[in-house]
Amino acid sequence: DAGITQSPRHKVTETGTPVTLRCHQTENHRYMYWYRQDPGHGLRLIHYSYGVKDTDKGEVSDGYSVSRSKTEDFLLTLESATSSQTSVYFCAISDVTGKGTDTQYFGPGTRLTVL
Amino acid sequence: DQQVKQNSPSLSVQEGRISILNCDYTNSMFDYFLWYKKYPAEGPTFLISISSIKDKNEDGRFTVFLNKSAKHLSLHIVPSQPGDSAVYFCAASAFRYKYIFGTGTRLKVLA
Repeated sequence: DAGITQSPRHKVTETGTPVTLRCHQTENHRYMYWYRQDPGHGLRLIHYSYGVKDTDKGEVSDGYSVSRSKTEDFLLTLESATSSQTSVYFCAISDVTGKGTDTQYFGPGTRLTVL
Repeated sequence: DQQVKQNSPSLSVQEGRISILNCDYTNSMFDYFLWYKKYPAEGPTFLISISSIKDKNEDGRFTVFLNKSAKHLSLHIVPSQPGDSAVYFCAASAFRYKYIFGTGTRLKVLA
């Protein structure tokens, strides 16, 4: 199993509060991703990073920001949480080489509830 | 606009029979495809991949077929086992570092 941890694993918060989710990897992979999983929508990309301090938006980035100050850590921040951001959040890592399977390996997920 | 579609939200199959999970895509630039399996309260785990230069890839009980002209891929599981009961996601990419995922199909294998 790829060395990916997410913290916290569960969080309940109130509307309007800031929330930060952390993803930590021990694989030294270049790419890191944040997805959310919702019923009927599958996995949707929020933001991704292709190196330290290099990030880009995914398909559902509104209301989210990210930061990557070290190779191993990728933070997802909800500046002011809303009920529509209640979801399960997954971090993933990848080391795209064009030679292997170039797959993404996923963390265990964080269940976030915004009341 | 859903670029990757899994039109069957759920599928039930008898143990020992074949499970066929389908995935359709719209973007002709997609050239690399992945299948993931997801158990409840866990992250998705990689199953099998296929490149657009191939039309079939096998790994044990799992085979993925790609029909580029129809923009369609399918995952075959033979024989199906109760432990295969999970949600299956297909994913497609044009650039290898960024994937679009389908909405998933929940497979239930009946003992």
